[in-house]
Amino acid sequence: EVQLVESGGGLVQPGGSLRLSCAASGFTFSSYWMSWVRQAPGKGLEWVANIKQDGSEKYYVDSVKGRFTISRDNAKNSLYLQMNSLRAEDTAVYYCARDVNRIAYWGQGTLVTVSS
Amino acid sequence: AIRMTQSPSSLSASTGDRVTITCRASQGISTYLAWYQQKPGKAPKLLIYSASTLQSGVPSRFSGSGSGTDFTLTISCLQSEDFATYYCQQYYSDPPTFGQGTRLEIK
Repeated sequence: EVQLVESGGGLVQPGGSLRLSCAASGFTFSSYWMSWVRQAPGKGLEWVANIKQDGSEKYYVDSVKGRFTISRDNAKNSLYLQMNSLRAEDTAVYYCARDVNRIAYWGQGTLVTVSS
Repeated sequence: AIRMTQSPSSLSASTGDRVTITCRASQGISTYLAWYQQKPGKAPKLLIYSASTLQSGVPSRFSGSGSGTDFTLTISCLQSEDFATYYCQQYYSDPPTFGQGTRLEIK
């Protein structure tokens, strides 16, 4: 059974940093692109970033470029999102997702709140 | 980025009704379109991909159609568990983008 379990969310002040993690199991992690998708409270879905199987390609939505870094450790079956210079508008539930397109597997999400 | 626009934004219907949700892309995306269902506090669930292919395990009352810029999701006979929010997503070009969502409520 495919499982994606996020952790690392919480309350952080504007300008602060946070690192999200996603532990994957039930599939060959190193064979799949992985993504982060977020959802602000009461709002729609927004793709944030994705990373190729070997980490050689990474893509970001414009609003997080230069502030967020996606990475992975295939030996640990783990996906990460380093978030720096956080803003109030980054407040959202962050989902880890397998694949980039037609996402069939999602984590349960971790809430990031940016507030003073 | 390609803009995805869904209509209506919200919809009231009764169990047993047939409902249709529309998604329009700001430029042609062939059939690189997926539909998701999301219930409160839960992650999205993939319903349809490639505009009309039903994801494994999804009931056949769900169907999708369209190509180019105009797409529809149809639920042929609403069940109580179908009341949720629905999103379309294009994956024709980066960044992948979602529609704003259609909230399907009980009348």
